Amino acid sequence: GEDVEQSLFLSVREGDSSVINCTYTDSSSTYLYWYKQEPGAGLQLLTYIFSNMDMKQDQRLTVLLNKKDKHLSLRIADTQTGDSAIYFCAVLNQAGTALIFGKGTTLSVSS
Amino acid sequence: NAGVTQTPKFQVLKTGQSMTLQCAQDMNHNSMYWYRQDPGMGLRLIYYSASEGTTDKGEVPNGYNVSRLNKREFSLRLESAAPSQTSVYFCASRELLGTDTQYFGPGTRLTVL
Repeated sequence: GEDVEQSLFLSVREGDSSVINCTYTDSSSTYLYWYKQEPGAGLQLLTYIFSNMDMKQDQRLTVLLNKKDKHLSLRIADTQTGDSAIYFCAVLNQAGTALIFGKGTTLSVSS
Repeated sequence: NAGVTQTPKFQVLKTGQSMTLQCAQDMNHNSMYWYRQDPGMGLRLIYYSASEGTTDKGEVPNGYNVSRLNKREFSLRLESAAPSQTSVYFCASRELLGTDTQYFGPGTRLTVL
């Protein structure tokens, strides 16, 4: 079946880089997504990558896609305390009808 | 442009009570979704509506019903609430052009006692 897997927790120190990893099974996604959820809030789109790309850089964010291994990663450079949140990887299901989400990675940034 | 709005923000129900969660979007999106979020479970799809007049079951539809009232509004109804339905409920809508992104509402925090 379709599945998206992420590690549940990541703890880093302020100023370090954070890398959040995601693997997925089947997907019809033209785009693959990273969403961010701050405490008590809804999910906001953080960034996305086109499925034909290997890498996308957006300021402090770098998304890497290995389509052969079905592996997606999000790197946050110079991590700040304001980056503390839950990060979700999401891909479109095979039918193309809805996004499938990982369980989310809780990023904790200490000063 | 308010995006996706949900009401209420918080609700406490007793077992067996019914209620409807409301969702509206002003982005002229065809597709709308209801998810629930539980600790350690991520987001699970309850129901979705690919377009006005159609609805389909997602991963966890039992105990819920939906209505796609018009293109803007998609409601979720709990006919007889159970403690297992204590959760945070998110509505989303999706643009099918461009980046095919789903946009989420702020959520409804429901507690069933």
